[in-house]
Amino acid sequence: EIQLVESGGGLVKPGGSLRLSCVASGFTLSSYTMNWVRQAPGKGLEWVSSISSRSTYIYYADSVKGRFTISRDNAKKSLYLQMNSLRAEDTAMYYCASEGAYCSSTNCALDSWGQGTLVTVSS
Amino acid sequence: QSVLAQPPSASGTPGQRVTISCSGSSSNVGSNTVNWYQQLPGTAPKLLIYSNNQRPSGVPDRFSGSKSGTSASLAISGLQSEDEADYYCAARDDTLTGRVFGGGTKLTVL
Repeated sequence: EIQLVESGGGLVKPGGSLRLSCVASGFTLSSYTMNWVRQAPGKGLEWVSSISSRSTYIYYADSVKGRFTISRDNAKKSLYLQMNSLRAEDTAMYYCASEGAYCSSTNCALDSWGQGTLVTVSS
Repeated sequence: QSVLAQPPSASGTPGQRVTISCSGSSSNVGSNTVNWYQQLPGTAPKLLIYSNNQRPSGVPDRFSGSKSGTSASLAISGLQSEDEADYYCAARDDTLTGRVFGGGTKLTVL
């Protein structure tokens, strides 16, 4: 069974930093592109960042570019999100999600999701 | 303001058929396939439809998707109480070089 487990969320002051982790089990993480998607309280989904299987291709949403860094360690079956210069508007549940099992000619869907880790940015 | 436009709410009675629309532009829905996600209350999203109209294994055939031009739709037939959830459309955007989501549609089963 595919399982993604996020950790590292918590309460942080504006301008602070946090590092989120996502550990995978039940599938070969090294074969898949991974993503971070967030959801502010009571709001919709927002894609944050993606990283290809060998870290060759990395993309960010404009809202986090220059402040967040995505990385992965395939040997440790782990995905990370380093978040710096945090703002109140970064408050959200952060989900890691894999893509690669269900694809079309133009893109792959996010087929497995973790349960999320909550980040709260407040003074 | 989400890049993809969805109605904020939809409703139906058990057994009915409901549709949820998703409107985008030439850089996203118009040039890439659309995926749909279901988010039950208090849980993580789940993939419901990929590649416009394909169902992952385990998704009932009551759920179907379609796309025409820069718009897509999710249809749910034989509505059941357990279908009450938030539904999101998503697509890759060639201009933004990333994924974009719709604002979500809250489906209520009356």
